[in-house]
Amino acid sequence: DGGITQSPKYLFRKEGQNVTLSCEQNLNHDAMYWYRQDPGQGLRLIYYSQIVNDFQKGDIAEGYSVSREKKESFPLTVTSAQKNPTAFYLCASSNRGRSTEAFFGQGTRLTVV
Amino acid sequence: DAKTTQPTSMDCAEGRAANLPCNHSTISGNEYVYWYRQIHSQGPQYIIHGLKNNETNEMASLIITEDRKSSTLILPHATLRDTAVYYCIVRVPSNTGKLIFGQGTTLQVKP
Repeated sequence: DGGITQSPKYLFRKEGQNVTLSCEQNLNHDAMYWYRQDPGQGLRLIYYSQIVNDFQKGDIAEGYSVSREKKESFPLTVTSAQKNPTAFYLCASSNRGRSTEAFFGQGTRLTVV
Repeated sequence: DAKTTQPTSMDCAEGRAANLPCNHSTISGNEYVYWYRQIHSQGPQYIIHGLKNNETNEMASLIITEDRKSSTLILPHATLRDTAVYYCIVRVPSNTGKLIFGQGTTLQVKP
């Protein structure tokens, strides 16, 4: 089955530690995105990538980093510089030029204690 | 992207049609109307989109008014699994990568 896989579903980390969230897609999509969702809030864009080895900052990129070494993979690292990392993180992908018809993963809920 | 206004919440009886409205009075000529939904603790799911003609797929129908200032998403026979937050988004299809999800409408389907 084609789709986007995020892992793990739940993640707990101690304050001050970096953590990397995985996102893999087998839809052959060029574009991939990371969003953050806080309780009762809409989605906010962290980073996006239109093509391998290229990515752009979204609205709330501070404290996050990404890489796009393979078309299928777009991992997100939440660094210790992110002041409020506890949130629900969503990865999405789309055909290039069709960002408005995106496919989302099931999300990773990160809790920093 | 044009601003959208949706009711905060709606109820619908199981088996009945759910009609979810969206106002987008500042929509421009090249902007499409998109609908997504998000079931609790899952990723958003694309439902349907349209420019000016009514659209239908296996999930829903989209009715856009002639002046394009509002639209309605119709779930013809709502089930309990349709309970979710429904988002209406208006924008130009592009590769700039940003979908702006507002507060949406929480639809509660009741038995």
